Amino acid sequence: EAGVTQFPSHSVIEKGQTVTLRCDPISGHDNLYWYRRVMGKEIKFLLHFVKESKQDESGMPNNRFLAERTGGTYSTLKVQPAELEDSGVYFCASSQGGLAGYEQFFGPGTRLTVL
Amino acid sequence: AQSVTQLGSHVSVSEGALVLLRCNYSSSVPPYLFWYVQYPNQGLQLLLKYTSAATLVKGINGFEAEFKKSETSFHLTKPSAHMSDAAEYFCAVSGALGSARQLTFGSGTQLTVLP
Repeated sequence: EAGVTQFPSHSVIEKGQTVTLRCDPISGHDNLYWYRRVMGKEIKFLLHFVKESKQDESGMPNNRFLAERTGGTYSTLKVQPAELEDSGVYFCASSQGGLAGYEQFFGPGTRLTVL
Repeated sequence: AQSVTQLGSHVSVSEGALVLLRCNYSSSVPPYLFWYVQYPNQGLQLLLKYTSAATLVKGINGFEAEFKKSETSFHLTKPSAHMSDAAEYFCAVSGALGSARQLTFGSGTQLTVLP
């Protein structure tokens, strides 16, 4: 069974540009999460999808960040326009629905560098 | 509200020595607790989890952790360190009571194993 995959693995952009990160969860997982780790800090929650609906987006830093989950499958996280402080590693995770949903499986992350 | 504190951002041990990584948590509801490991250039991998069953939890690669409610701790141990244990370790809490919710992470502990 394939794990959580993320694309690209690295992205280097200039301030003001737009970047779109993609996450493909484990097949059949209803829950999809985005997290971010800024250099030297803890991993922080951004948002949580249940199927195609946003369950919790309390961690989204501002309206420059837009997340979508088309048809309840893969998800994209767009940053527009990117700022220097957006640099970090963006992790995606997925989990099953129901009582087993507490166990999250993580992707390898996308390292975003904003110059 | 939940929080996690990992004491020691860097820990060094000799090969064959005891590994002890400390984690203290705060949670307003009975917690689910997790230890994740991140090897270089890889995603987060679940080492073990506490979900209100046995307080001593055994995980992969010889690691274990003990949930101590009175101390609000969930320290990670391994009797004998191996060179392959060198990685970054993250403690996380979820107050989800079995359903899917965000994880709150500690700031991570980088483990170095000396030959």
